[in-house]
Amino acid sequence: DAKTTQPNSMESNEEEPVHLPCNHSTISGTDYIHWYRQLPSQGPEYVIHGLTSNVNNRMASLAIAEDRKSSTLILHRATLRDAAVYYCILRARSGNTPLVFGKGTRLSVIA
Amino acid sequence: GAVVSQHPSWVICKSGTSVKIECRSLDFQATTMFWYRQFPKQSLMLMATSNEGSKATYEQGVEKDKFLINHASLTLSTLTVTSAHPEDSSFYICSARRLAGGGGTDTQYFGPGTRLTVL
Repeated sequence: DAKTTQPNSMESNEEEPVHLPCNHSTISGTDYIHWYRQLPSQGPEYVIHGLTSNVNNRMASLAIAEDRKSSTLILHRATLRDAAVYYCILRARSGNTPLVFGKGTRLSVIA
Repeated sequence: GAVVSQHPSWVICKSGTSVKIECRSLDFQATTMFWYRQFPKQSLMLMATSNEGSKATYEQGVEKDKFLINHASLTLSTLTVTSAHPEDSSFYICSARRLAGGGGTDTQYFGPGTRLTVL
């Protein structure tokens, strides 16, 4: 799977929007962009995924660049419970390939 | 979202004993499950891929005789750490692959993890 680059850490104020960037310049045409987050002492939690178009769900929005070489996870109103490590992962659509985790972005939310 | 459970959530054992961790997909069938390990302040590391009814595929550097994986049904995979030693102390996380419908991509759902401490 192609590699992604994320900032090591970010900080946000509570109830403000958060934009978490991810660069994936070597993405292939069939790679999906997956976002997971991991709260302290828990397993990763699925957040959202997309291929080409922007995606919205109850947790977040995913904005994908037109050339697909970058994407941004948007939390519309950060809460203290959103403090976690966020992982941006590319995964080919087909096959049994597992998710391969990088270092992710550690998001801190300040009250 | 889909639910994956793990049992136990934590375990403390003496060096030399074996520990079994169960992973269950509660509301979907999973032909493929994955086992990860996470050390403090590090990211998840894939240990092995478990396919229902067949032998697991281990990542390079993971001892298959030490980490026994069984995937006997579509909803249950087990990881047994045999002859555990203090260096095996870690956070073990399983994941189940949910097949996509309608031409989309598969999604992996993760269990809550099992913290193993070997004294």
